[in-house]
Amino acid sequence: DTGVSQDPRHKITKRGQNVTFRCDPISEHNRLYWYRQTLGQGPEFLTYFQNEAQLEKSRLLSDRFSAERPKGSFSTLEIQRTEQGDSAMYLCASSSNRGDNEKLFFGSGTQLSVL
Amino acid sequence: AQKITQTQPGMFVQEKEAVTLDCTYDTSDPSYGLFWYKQPSSGEMIFLIYQGSYDQQNATEGRYSLNFQKARKSANLVISASQLGDSAMYFCAMRGKSAGNQFYFGTGTSLTVIP
Repeated sequence: DTGVSQDPRHKITKRGQNVTFRCDPISEHNRLYWYRQTLGQGPEFLTYFQNEAQLEKSRLLSDRFSAERPKGSFSTLEIQRTEQGDSAMYLCASSSNRGDNEKLFFGSGTQLSVL
Repeated sequence: AQKITQTQPGMFVQEKEAVTLDCTYDTSDPSYGLFWYKQPSSGEMIFLIYQGSYDQQNATEGRYSLNFQKARKSANLVISASQLGDSAMYFCAMRGKSAGNQFYFGTGTSLTVIP
């Protein structure tokens, strides 16, 4: 399978716990994005990487959120001290080209439920 | 600021009929890209079609076409010959320089194809 893969598919955690999600992009893609999607909404941008450099972060990304892409391949998104408001689908996407016609290829997401 | 509006929360179409999903947008960028994505119940966002703001022709990809009316700032998706597998959420998205080249998504339209 050469698509974007995310792990785990589902995560249930208690409030206050830390969680970490992993994303493996399409191998030749140098750009990687994290989005968050809540019920009834479209995906909202969180952050993106070009290779290993984190180039942009949304205001939505509080201090409890951190993302890494240490070798420019897979990426991790960690949420510390989770809150119920963090419950959402976390989507990862990758792309290989810049420009207005950049197409994002998405994974199936990690559904987080904070109890 | 960039904004995408999808005013149809839900749509129904008879199998083999055509359906139009509405999308309007707002941007001050002279150059931007418009996209449609499909999100089935599995959660993965699937790229359908792209329209550049300077493209003279409306984009087409198989059964998908984009009715681009720049003056009206609308980018409606037309699906011809609907199939049962077309039942999904459909998101309109825009990308432009003033938003840091990030993708902004609408709230989506749920399409149900009736046999």
